[in-house]
Amino acid sequence: RKEVEQDPGPFNVPEGATVAFNCTYSNSASQSFFWYRQDCRKEPKLLMSVYSSGNEDGRFTAQLNRASQYISLLIRDSKLSDSATYLCAVIPMEYGNKLVFGAGTILRVKS
Amino acid sequence: DADVTQTPRNRITKTGKRIMLECSQTKGHDRMYWYRQDPGLGLRLIYYSFDVKDINKGEISDGYSVSRQAQAKFSLSLESAIPNQTALYFCATSRGLAGGTDTQYFGPGTRLTVL
Repeated sequence: RKEVEQDPGPFNVPEGATVAFNCTYSNSASQSFFWYRQDCRKEPKLLMSVYSSGNEDGRFTAQLNRASQYISLLIRDSKLSDSATYLCAVIPMEYGNKLVFGAGTILRVKS
Repeated sequence: DADVTQTPRNRITKTGKRIMLECSQTKGHDRMYWYRQDPGLGLRLIYYSFDVKDINKGEISDGYSVSRQAQAKFSLSLESAIPNQTALYFCATSRGLAGGTDTQYFGPGTRLTVL
């Protein structure tokens, strides 16, 4: 089983839709969680960290479910510019500050 | 100017050739990383360095070596390139904060093709 797994998609949604992605992790001792955004052929950029209590940044909401070992990203009112690949990343407890990335979920927002 | 730069941005080489990818940063970060990205596999850690005298193997270090010449520079070498090393390579840096708040900042990537 992969350490971090994501549905590769693509998720094709119309503008204005709400879309959610999940990311599961295998190491129950994982301590830190992140969502990165990657545009085609570009570098990943941090979208948001995921806190235990959940957190929101504008149209984006991240949640952590430790019992079921997954994190989620909810995007409300999707924009064309949200089209990208969304990577989740996890720091397992024994890894120090080294990230383990999922393979990414492709989102395509269409007009 | 970009905070994390990589050279070259694109490279085509032949099997058996030695190639070096370079990464420079102006962020003043102590920690630097090399990843490769392959379709469907996500980003995988090759090597990382937490300061100038520190080099550590990542998940997939075989066939690669690194050099941390200075705080700002971290080079990745392929001693004898092979076709399955064709990938997109990213350098990243981080400040080294504790508590899971250590954000990594990525360079623009080097697209390497080994024929």
